[in-house]
Amino acid sequence: NAGVTQTPKFQVLKTGQSMTLQCAQDMNHNSMYWYRQDPGMGLRLIYYSASEGTTDKGEVPNGYNVSRLNKREFSLRLESAAPSQTSVYFCASSLTGGANTGELFFGEGSRLTVL
Amino acid sequence: KNEVEQSPQNLTAQEGEFITINCSYSVGISALHWLQQHPGGGIVSLFMLSSGKKKHGRLIATINIQEKHSSLHITASHPRDSAVYICAVTGNQFYFGTGTSLTVIP
Repeated sequence: NAGVTQTPKFQVLKTGQSMTLQCAQDMNHNSMYWYRQDPGMGLRLIYYSASEGTTDKGEVPNGYNVSRLNKREFSLRLESAAPSQTSVYFCASSLTGGANTGELFFGEGSRLTVL
Repeated sequence: KNEVEQSPQNLTAQEGEFITINCSYSVGISALHWLQQHPGGGIVSLFMLSSGKKKHGRLIATINIQEKHSSLHITASHPRDSAVYICAVTGNQFYFGTGTSLTVIP
């Protein structure tokens, strides 16, 4: 079972370059999330999509855009990468959003370095 | 302000020891999650609980809703248990602790 698949696993960018992180889930989940993980900090929500066709900002949305392409896919775009965006990015999904999300499933992570 | 606090931040144990990781939270929740992350690896869900106690193999998770506290216990710890353990709660959104880094020495 694939679960949540995100690509690429590793990426090195120069300041100002753009890139898109791709995420897909095969569990028919309604809600999808993008988090970043930095040393000494908990996972921080960048954007989420409670259901197909909707997206909302999380705690740290600046410098990012997202697209919920369909129920399966949720992509994260960095339009002009900055060194502060060096991080490990995780895509996650859950059956529903809000107060009764159910279990949270994560992808393997994407390690991004911006020089 | 951290809605979820974990202790200890780092923990080293000898193989076979009983381990406890604590989690306290300050928001109203519908569920609490324990997650595991191996070095350089992805994050997997160990438990989701809203009351009482759950057990999977050598892992036991408990929650006290009145005290807003949860514990993750590992019995007969093994080096393969070495990982970061993350507590998360579901309120109107997910809130995550910063994790407890566990190293089990053979």
